[in-house]
Amino acid sequence: KQEVTQIPAALSVPEGENLVLNCSFTDSAIYNLQWFRQDPGKGLTSLLLIQSSQREQTSGRLNASLDKSSGRSTLYIAASQPGDSATYLCAVRPSTGNQFYFGTGTSLTVIP
Amino acid sequence: NAGVTQTPKFRILKIGQSMTLQCAQDMNHNYMYWYRQDPGMGLKLIYYSVGAGITDKGEVPNGYNVSRSTTEDFPLRLELAAPSQTSVYFCASFGRRWEGLAGANVLTFGAGSRLTVL
Repeated sequence: KQEVTQIPAALSVPEGENLVLNCSFTDSAIYNLQWFRQDPGKGLTSLLLIQSSQREQTSGRLNASLDKSSGRSTLYIAASQPGDSATYLCAVRPSTGNQFYFGTGTSLTVIP
Repeated sequence: NAGVTQTPKFRILKIGQSMTLQCAQDMNHNYMYWYRQDPGMGLKLIYYSVGAGITDKGEVPNGYNVSRSTTEDFPLRLELAAPSQTSVYFCASFGRRWEGLAGANVLTFGAGSRLTVL
C-alpha cells in the first residue's frame, strides 16, 4: 500500500523567504502527484499537478518537482507572503487502482 | 462550470437521526469520492465510485451508504448518526479538466460539509 509522508508537519518563516515543502511516497509506480492548499475551515484547492512522466511544474511563485526513483516531490514557494499561510497537502494517484493517497499536510505560517 | 457542489455546508444532527449529504459535479467525471477530515487529521476515504451504478468501500465505510444513479450525483447517506461522525465531509471528482488547450486528469474537491452530531 502506498504511504505518503509530509515533513515537517508545521513550518513558520518570515515574509519574503523562499521555502521548500516535502512529500515522500513509498511506491514509485504513480500515475500523478497533486499539490493542494487548504485554508482553515475551507476545502482543498489544487495548486499543481505533476504527471508521472514529468519532472516539474510551475505556476507563478510555485514550482513542484517530482523524483519518482527516490519517491519524493517538493513544492518550492518563492518570496513567501502572509497570504501563503495555509496547510499544503500532497496526493498520490498510483498507476493502478482507483484511490488516492494523501499526506497529512504541512501547516505553513508566513510571518509579516 | 461550477465544478463540485456540496450541500448543505453546515448541519447539526441529533444522535440517531439520518441525513444525506449531496454532491454533484458538472465535469462529466466518472470517478467520485467521499472523504472525511477530523480536526488536525488527514483525509480518510469513506466510499468511492468509478461510474454510474458502481460503488466501493474505502477505509472507513461503517455508518455510511452511497449510491450513484447518475454520472453527476454521488450522495452520502448517514444512518443513525453518532457523535463519532462529527467531521467535515469532502466530496471530490477525478477526471479531465482543461486549462487552455492542455487537459489533464485532476482531482477536484467540493467546499465541504461540516456535520456536528450532538
